[in-house]
Amino acid sequence: EIVLTQSPGTLSLSPGERATLSCRASQSVSSNFLAWYQQKPGQAPRLLIYGASSRATGIPDRFSGSGSGTDFTLTISRLEPEDFAVYYCQHYGSSLTFGQGTKLEI
Amino acid sequence: QVQLVQSGAEVKKPGASLKISCKAFEYTFTTYYMHWVRQAPGQGLEWMGIINPSGGSTSYAQKFQGRVTMTRDTSTSTVYMELSSLRSEDTAVYYCAGQRSGSLSFDSWGQGTLVTVSS
Repeated sequence: EIVLTQSPGTLSLSPGERATLSCRASQSVSSNFLAWYQQKPGQAPRLLIYGASSRATGIPDRFSGSGSGTDFTLTISRLEPEDFAVYYCQHYGSSLTFGQGTKLEI
Repeated sequence: QVQLVQSGAEVKKPGASLKISCKAFEYTFTTYYMHWVRQAPGQGLEWMGIINPSGGSTSYAQKFQGRVTMTRDTSTSTVYMELSSLRSEDTAVYYCAGQRSGSLSFDSWGQGTLVTVSS
């Protein structure tokens, strides 16, 4: 089973700043199998990025994903107030796994 | 994307069983694989398993093997998740999530069902 470790656990930033979230896999994975989700309090998660770098439908272009092998990154170029949430990476394997999440707070 | 609507909140006693439904709207039911994911209070996301609505085949996370059963009713475009031998640690919000055939991510989510296990 692939273990995903996200860092930092909590990221404190201000609107307008750039956010960089990390997801590290316990072994090399195909980029095709790596996705990112956003979850706000009391809501279901929402797909942001699939295939490590492709934005899902309706996702603003300030969100971008990159990486390969064991190291993946979600970048939010200029934070908007609505971006403060918890972010999860996911690996789609025979046993699907999520990272433990990064809380992005003001 | 597809709209997924789940059944309502439940309160169960330890040792009981639980069955949650997830009804799909506005798409061809068999073109989406359906997953179940749970989230304990204040915790992260935990994958439970997948069902292929087309043939009904399933695959479960090892942690839930023997305790979970996922089924579907194609006539009503509904999938079900049954969890037995409930314990307090099963208290969580349970989500169904849709994976479009050919994709490797969940582009649709139900609203979540809160399950509380308490004596």
